[in-house]
Amino acid sequence: GENVEQHPSTLSVQEGDSAVIKCTYSDSASNYFPWYKQELGKRPQLIIDIRSNVGEKKDQRIAVTLNKTAKHFSLHITETQPEDSAVYFCAAPHSGNTPLVFGKGTRLSVIA
Amino acid sequence: DAMVIQNPRYQVTQFGKPVTLSCSQTLNHNVMYWYQQKSSQAPKLLFHYYDKDFNNEADTPDNFQSRRPNTSFCFLDIRSPGLGDAAMYLCATSTGTGGRNEQFFGPGTRLTVL
Repeated sequence: GENVEQHPSTLSVQEGDSAVIKCTYSDSASNYFPWYKQELGKRPQLIIDIRSNVGEKKDQRIAVTLNKTAKHFSLHITETQPEDSAVYFCAAPHSGNTPLVFGKGTRLSVIA
Repeated sequence: DAMVIQNPRYQVTQFGKPVTLSCSQTLNHNVMYWYQQKSSQAPKLLFHYYDKDFNNEADTPDNFQSRRPNTSFCFLDIRSPGLGDAAMYLCATSTGTGGRNEQFFGPGTRLTVL
């Protein structure tokens, strides 16, 4: 089945710097790669996702890149702000009709 | 504009005393999921329903059961809670499963086992 590895587990950056979180997946048939943000005590919320037919997607300060050959995808946050501090999870589905498999999460701390 | 609702938000039960957590949705989604999330860990899928079709994960303990009486509601029953079952339980929904289907999460129920 699908296996999703996420790195790093914790990340601290200065406000205004960029943050990059990386994930790898094992199922070459996977075609959808979302990123969720979970603030302390709150629900995970989708912040950006990418389909397998594109290599990059951007939404303001957030971007996701996908390398299908290498089976990895990354979340990029530019001009980080304290409110970006949270746990970020990547995910990928098995091929076919099966639910998402989540990475173990990255705790991002943005230091003012 | 709550779309996935979980009740209660906090639940305390005693070791071995059955407990039921509930989830409802106003999105009319076909799929409903239950996840267990322990501190500083990723959500772990317990099972999901595609309409009335129940799908159990291979490593979900028998202690955990689920019911989906209609499209809007789904319940998680823990028959004999142990201390290790203390966690946040997240309900989620989506239109379909697998790729290209965003999952919408509820706020979660934090379960404490005394």
